Amino acid sequence: SQQGEEDPQALSIQEGENATMNCSYKTSINNLQWYRQNSGRGLVHLILIRSNEREKHSGRLRVTLDTSKKSSSLLITASRAADTASYFCATGGTSYGKLTFGQGTILTVHP
Amino acid sequence: EAGVTQSPTHLIKTRGQQATLRCSPISGHTSVYWYQQALGLGLQFLLWYDEGEERNRGNFPPRFSGRQFPNYSSELNVNALELEDSALYLCASSWRRSWETQYFGPGTRLLVL
Repeated sequence: SQQGEEDPQALSIQEGENATMNCSYKTSINNLQWYRQNSGRGLVHLILIRSNEREKHSGRLRVTLDTSKKSSSLLITASRAADTASYFCATGGTSYGKLTFGQGTILTVHP
Repeated sequence: EAGVTQSPTHLIKTRGQQATLRCSPISGHTSVYWYQQALGLGLQFLLWYDEGEERNRGNFPPRFSGRQFPNYSSELNVNALELEDSALYLCASSWRRSWETQYFGPGTRLLVL
C-alpha cells in the first residue's frame, strides 16, 4: 500500500514559474525524500529531509516538512522545460531498507 | 563513477514462464533493493539484500525471489509469471548504513503476455 498521497496529481506551468508539490503520509517517519522520474525510467534522488528538520534547500529546490501535519512540500523555483518529469515523495520508517512512495505528481513545464 | 546498471532493459515473457532480472550496484555499495512499478499501483518495495542476505521483504508472494552475489550484484527471479507482473522493475543500491538514500538504476520493463 502507498503511504504518501501527493497533490496535485498533475501540474502544468510555464517556464520561469515556480512549481509546488505536496505530499502527505500516514505513519511516523525517520526521513522523507523526493525523487524525480523521467518518462518511466529510473528515479533520480533529489533531496532528503530528516524528521527533525523543517526546511532544506538544494539549488532551485526547497523542501519543507511538517511532522505534526504529516506533510511535506517540494518547491521548484524558476522552472525549466527540463524539469518536466514525475516527482515522488518517499518515506523511510522503522522497516529498514524499505522506502514507501507516494503516487507522484506529473509536472509539465512548457517552454 | 558508474551508476546502478540493470539488464535487460526490456523482457517479454508469456504467462507461467520465469523471468530473471539483473542488477549491478554502484561500486562500494553493499545493499541492493528491488521495487516494482506497475500501472495504477505505484512503486512498491520488493526486497532488500545486504552482504549476501535478504534483510527485508515487501508484501509479495514467494514466487518473487532473488539473491545477492559476493560482488554485491543481484538477481530478481519471478516464477510462474502472471499478467499482472507486467511492470517496470527498479533496482537501487546504497551503503548499508545509509539505506534511506537509495540510488536507482534505469529499470527493466517486463511484459507478460
